[in-house]
Amino acid sequence: GAGVSQTPSNKVTEKGKYVELRCDPISGHTALYWYRQSLGQGPEFLIYFQGTGAADDSGLPNDRFFAVRPEGSVSTLKIQRTERGDSAVYLCASSLGQGNQPQHFGDGTRLSIL
Amino acid sequence: AQSVTQLGSHVSVSEGALVLLRCNYSSSVPPYLFWYVQYPNQGLQLLLKYTTGATLVKGINGFEAEFKKSETSFHLTKPSAHMSDAAEYFCAVNTGFQKLVFGTGTRLLVSP
Repeated sequence: GAGVSQTPSNKVTEKGKYVELRCDPISGHTALYWYRQSLGQGPEFLIYFQGTGAADDSGLPNDRFFAVRPEGSVSTLKIQRTERGDSAVYLCASSLGQGNQPQHFGDGTRLSIL
Repeated sequence: AQSVTQLGSHVSVSEGALVLLRCNYSSSVPPYLFWYVQYPNQGLQLLLKYTTGATLVKGINGFEAEFKKSETSFHLTKPSAHMSDAAEYFCAVNTGFQKLVFGTGTRLLVSP
């Protein structure tokens, strides 16, 4: 079946611009996660959705970052007033929702802020 | 809070040799442990997971890992390396609060 789909695969934009990154999870997965992976590092947690609500947003670095999942399926990560330090690969994952269930990752969006 | 330490940012082996990638975790409660592999410009692919039960876990592509509570370790092994195993490997822990905490990764290099 289809895996986690992320679009776009690459995004290049100028400092100060607004960006949206999209994640389409595996069908039937109630839990959705966003992570950020900087060069040479492991992924770092940003936010977790259970259904439509953000159950844990403790990893969002500041108020320029926001994510939504209005219908409990597709999610959008939004970054306002982008900064060069936001450049990274943004990974989305989905799972069946329990802590012992593995998370399945998309290929990520590589965001470059010039 | 939970954390993961992966010893060795790079591990080099010859094709056919044993692969050993080290992972130690810190957790105040029984953890769920995972190994993921990442190929260039791709997302993470699950290799194996430990939740409860048998402490020796078998995964895909001939990899396995053993959960040792006394050593707080979850090392990844493969008896015979293949060129296609060259990739970045991440150990991760989840204590039931959903988010995964990852190590910094180990790049496996396989030479002919």
